[in-house]
Amino acid sequence: DQQVKQNSPSLSVQEGRISILNCDYTNSMFDYFLWYKKYPAEGPTFLISISSIKDKNEDGRFTVFLNKSAKHLSLHIVPSQPGDSAVYFCAASEGGGADGLTFGKGTHLIIQP
Amino acid sequence: NAGVMQNPRHLVRRRGQEARLRCSPMKGHSHVYWYRQLPEEGLKFMVYLQKENIIDESGMPKERFSAEFPKEGPSILRIQQVVRGDSAAYFCASSPQGQGDNEQFFGPGTRLTVL
Repeated sequence: DQQVKQNSPSLSVQEGRISILNCDYTNSMFDYFLWYKKYPAEGPTFLISISSIKDKNEDGRFTVFLNKSAKHLSLHIVPSQPGDSAVYFCAASEGGGADGLTFGKGTHLIIQP
Repeated sequence: NAGVMQNPRHLVRRRGQEARLRCSPMKGHSHVYWYRQLPEEGLKFMVYLQKENIIDESGMPKERFSAEFPKEGPSILRIQQVVRGDSAAYFCASSPQGQGDNEQFFGPGTRLTVL
């Protein structure tokens, strides 16, 4: 039973364009959502988060949107850069981030020159 | 300010041996989490600890696995009598406090290979 789903295993985007990564969840008790970026042989790096009381959070080139009614969140990266090529994980928590995180399986983003 | 440190980075064990994985949280962080990542999978939560206390071990296998976070020193994830299915990347994360919106910061991971 997968509570956090990233249905696109991979996504290819041209440099300079917008990358949109999607994530769906089933547990209505989740109240805190995070996106992590991961390179091979490294640990996940925190990118951006959003609390369930908000529907948007922006940090530089990264924006996360939360649609609670649809149980859906997305990460927008604009403009996309070659260094953005990595695996992106969506994660969720019930305890405002204090509990263990539930991760999706990840989306491999490839930025093409 | 050093990040989360894990050692060893790579660990090879034969079936039946013990594996000990260490994690030092970021300075000022008192909460530690352990996750496991199998090939082609996302990270799976295992256990959440504070100093000298296990807060949530709902993701830990019932047998052979244990974790501690002593008053002094790093957090330890211990796997006894390892089997091939234990081969995975084990990540440790830390956060400053257990309340409010707190992101978890991850270490580089320990890659365990069981022969």
